[in-house]
Amino acid sequence: AQKITQTQPGMFVQEKEAVTLDCTYDTSDQSYGLFWYKQPSSGEMIFLIYQGSYDEQNATEGRYSLNFQKARKSANLVISASQLGDSAMYFCAMGLGTNAGKSTFGDGTTLTVKP
Amino acid sequence: KAGVTQTPRYLIKTRGQQVTLSCSPISGHRSVSWYQQTPGQGLQFLFEYFSETQRNKGNFPGRFSGRQFSNSRSEMNVSTLELGDSALYLCATSSGSGYEQYFGPGTRLTVT
Repeated sequence: AQKITQTQPGMFVQEKEAVTLDCTYDTSDQSYGLFWYKQPSSGEMIFLIYQGSYDEQNATEGRYSLNFQKARKSANLVISASQLGDSAMYFCAMGLGTNAGKSTFGDGTTLTVKP
Repeated sequence: KAGVTQTPRYLIKTRGQQVTLSCSPISGHRSVSWYQQTPGQGLQFLFEYFSETQRNKGNFPGRFSGRQFSNSRSEMNVSTLELGDSALYLCATSSGSGYEQYFGPGTRLTVT
């Protein structure tokens, strides 16, 4: 069985600063994918970034980067230069291989960006 | 291109009734997954359909069922509704082999 743990229920960050959202995972599968999603108050889930278990380099997408430490089973999301619009709930998720179709989600972290 | 659409957006039902939710994927997407989101249980996977076949299934009772049509549109049905079924139901679509999954706006179901 797969499990995702997000230990930070809520985080605060000052505008323009960087913030790291923690995610640890547990799986016995060798091939898996790790995903981060953003869910604003409107409710829609927005895909942010993906890291494959065999990817040697950390994934980056604009201001988002994924700090992947396979041995520690962690996949932390780093948001650089935070903006007010980044205030939202953030979910870490895991899927098998590259198929995100059956994903296991963490409980989420609520990020609040302060002006 | 058009995003994932879900209908209806809001629904109020009473216990014991049944409900059908619909999800229309992005053009070309053949995989449709359904998730239930509640404050207490978080996001839980219901099932995934790919090319009209159920490819994966979560740990939900048989009251929850789904299907996918030849145009990749999917429906999920919940029979004999219980108060605990009140939730935001999200569908997500993907090509079926890629890692990007796009979510719809969700259907908020309230059971009274």
